[in-house]
Amino acid sequence: QKEVEQNSGPLSVPEGAIASLNCTYSDRGSQSFFWYRQYSGKSPELIMFIYSNGDKEDGRFTAQLNKASQYVSLLIRDSQPSDSATYLCAVNMGSDYKLSFGAGTTVTVRA
Amino acid sequence: SAVISQKPSRDICQRGTSLTIQCQVDSQVTMMFWYRQQPGQSLTLIATANQGSEATYESGFVIDKFPISRPNLTFSTLTVSNMSPEDSSIYLCSVEGTGRGTGQETQYFGPGTRLLVL
Repeated sequence: QKEVEQNSGPLSVPEGAIASLNCTYSDRGSQSFFWYRQYSGKSPELIMFIYSNGDKEDGRFTAQLNKASQYVSLLIRDSQPSDSATYLCAVNMGSDYKLSFGAGTTVTVRA
Repeated sequence: SAVISQKPSRDICQRGTSLTIQCQVDSQVTMMFWYRQQPGQSLTLIATANQGSEATYESGFVIDKFPISRPNLTFSTLTVSNMSPEDSSIYLCSVEGTGRGTGQETQYFGPGTRLLVL
C-alpha cells in the first residue's frame, strides 16, 4: 500500500464549478498535511496546509482533514482556467520536515 | 519562504557523463532535500542533506550514483553520475520551512533542473 494515495485523474470541471480532490494516507500518526500546486513545467508551490480536524479555508481553497478516516481533501470553489494544474497531496509522517507525496491529480478547468 | 535558485535550469547530456546541479538558498537552512520527478510522475525523494553530516539516501538511491555535497547552510550540490537515458528527469531541491506563522514543518521547492540524457 502506498503511503499517500490520491484520486486518479485527470479531473475536468467547467469554469465556476467546484473541483474536489481527495487524498488518503497510511500512517495514523501523521500530523501535518499539505497541498501543492504544480503547473506544467514548473516546480511545486505550497498552497494549503492543515493539521487539525475539520475545515480550513483560504480564499477559494478549502482543505478538509479527518484523521480518524485518514483522509484529507481540497476543494477549489469557483474554478478558474488558471487553476488548471497538477495538485500534489503531501503528508509529514514524522519529524525532520520529511514529506511523502501522492502521485498527484491533474485538474483541467474548461472555459 | 526562502528564495531558492538552481543551476543549470536545463541540460542535455551524453550517456556516461556526469552533471552537477547546484542549489542556492537566500537564507540559512539546516535541511535541504533532493528530489527526482520523472515525466508524468510525482516526486521521489533521493536524499536529505544536512550541513556538516553525510547525506541520508532513500531506498533505491546510492551515493556512488548521486553524490551530494552540503558545504554550508545556504548551498548544496547533487551530481548525477555515469548518466543513462533513464536518468532523464526533473531534479528539484527543496528546503525546510514553516507554514506561514504556524510553525508547521513543510518544504519549499526550487525551480528545478530539467535533464535529458541521450
